Amino acid sequence: GAVVSQHPSWVICKSGTSVKIECRSLDFQATTMFWYRQFPKQSLMLMATSNEGSKATYEQGVEKDKFLINHASLTLSTLTVTSAHPEDSSFYICSARERRRNEQFFGPGTRLTVL
Amino acid sequence: GQNIDQPTEMTATEGAIVQINCTYQTSGFNGLFWYQQHAGEAPTFLSYNVLDGLEEKGRFSSFLSRSKGYSYLLLKELQMKDSASYLCAVNKSFQKLVFGTGTRLLVSP
Repeated sequence: GAVVSQHPSWVICKSGTSVKIECRSLDFQATTMFWYRQFPKQSLMLMATSNEGSKATYEQGVEKDKFLINHASLTLSTLTVTSAHPEDSSFYICSARERRRNEQFFGPGTRLTVL
Repeated sequence: GQNIDQPTEMTATEGAIVQINCTYQTSGFNGLFWYQQHAGEAPTFLSYNVLDGLEEKGRFSSFLSRSKGYSYLLLKELQMKDSASYLCAVNKSFQKLVFGTGTRLLVSP
């Protein structure tokens, strides 16, 4: 149990376009989902916390108008990178927390390359 | 501010024991996680310490000292597949995790 999926697993796009990444909890209801970004040889950096049915909370330095997060249901959160630029190229990872558990379950990640 | 520090790289031999340290200074602490991450993959859960002391789980053990702001992950009987990055992460509040810098472990034959 406690499986989290992400789609797509990788995406290449042109500069200026928008990209949507989906994060789904497959066998549990996730009251909270988190979005992280990881640059090569660096650790995970929390971008935002997403609670079902409410607005996401963004970390300092993360532009909420550029990284749009929607958590419309207990099993799905989406991250849209708007007007992507090459510096947005990174590994984006989501995680989901089940209501009664301390543990976060991570998705397999999405590698975004902006040309 | 907050700091979570780990050694950048470590090397060890197959069959040996290795200890990966993590020191932290954070505003808020509800526990500390250890994750394993292979290149290009998502982190996988190894352990979670809330109270001081040692938690043993098979070949992996994790220790926490809250008063010292210190934790370590102990890996025994190292195998080649243990070559990966190891991340400690502080649970600040409401499961908001702040990750350490990560330690790349290379296990050689």
